[in-house]
Amino acid sequence: EDQVTQSPEALRLQEGESSSLNCSYTVSGLRGLFWYRQDPGKGPEFLFTLYSAGEEKEKERLKATLTKKESFLHITAPKPEDSATYLCAVQSGYSSASKIIFGSGTRLSIRP
Amino acid sequence: GAVVSQHPSRVICKSGTSVKIECRSLDFQATTMFWYRQFPKKSLMLMATSNEGSKATYEQGVEKDKFLINHASLTLSTLTVTSAHPEDSSFYICSPYLVHQETQYFGPGTRLLVL
Repeated sequence: EDQVTQSPEALRLQEGESSSLNCSYTVSGLRGLFWYRQDPGKGPEFLFTLYSAGEEKEKERLKATLTKKESFLHITAPKPEDSATYLCAVQSGYSSASKIIFGSGTRLSIRP
Repeated sequence: GAVVSQHPSRVICKSGTSVKIECRSLDFQATTMFWYRQFPKKSLMLMATSNEGSKATYEQGVEKDKFLINHASLTLSTLTVTSAHPEDSSFYICSPYLVHQETQYFGPGTRLLVL
């Protein structure tokens, strides 16, 4: 059964203090691994898709990396506006309509 | 990304009443819509997949007679929570399936509170 585990559950950082969020996954045939940002009371906002081990993607202060067992979301010199819940999700199979399995998220809080 | 709206954004109702949540795609046509539910500090869980003009497909453990889904047009899908109870209080989010997009995009969500 496909499974996604995110750690830590919550992370508090000082502004400018870089860190990484972890997403461990087990899936029968990875089609894609996704990272989303979710603000309180809102729907998830798409950040990245990673398709194969070794792939990396960057967007502003965020960089996502992928291995065969896990993905990391690195945040460099974070700002208070980066505070949110970050969700990791995986999709197996061959169709973009396949079911997506989400992790429970990491709640990131950046103190000024 | 795709633009999806949901209405209402928040709703409070009494136990036993029914609540309808609308999900509209504003600048595209979606033949398939996914409906998710998210409890506080928990993961998004897929409830059902609705297809325009046909019956929805429900995930295991989701009661199809309680969560009625209608996808009558390519721009509107609705989820009706019938005879709502406090345990149905949750955040309901829709997501259209778009063939040429790399991932799923999500609506802003509807917060349901059943008293």
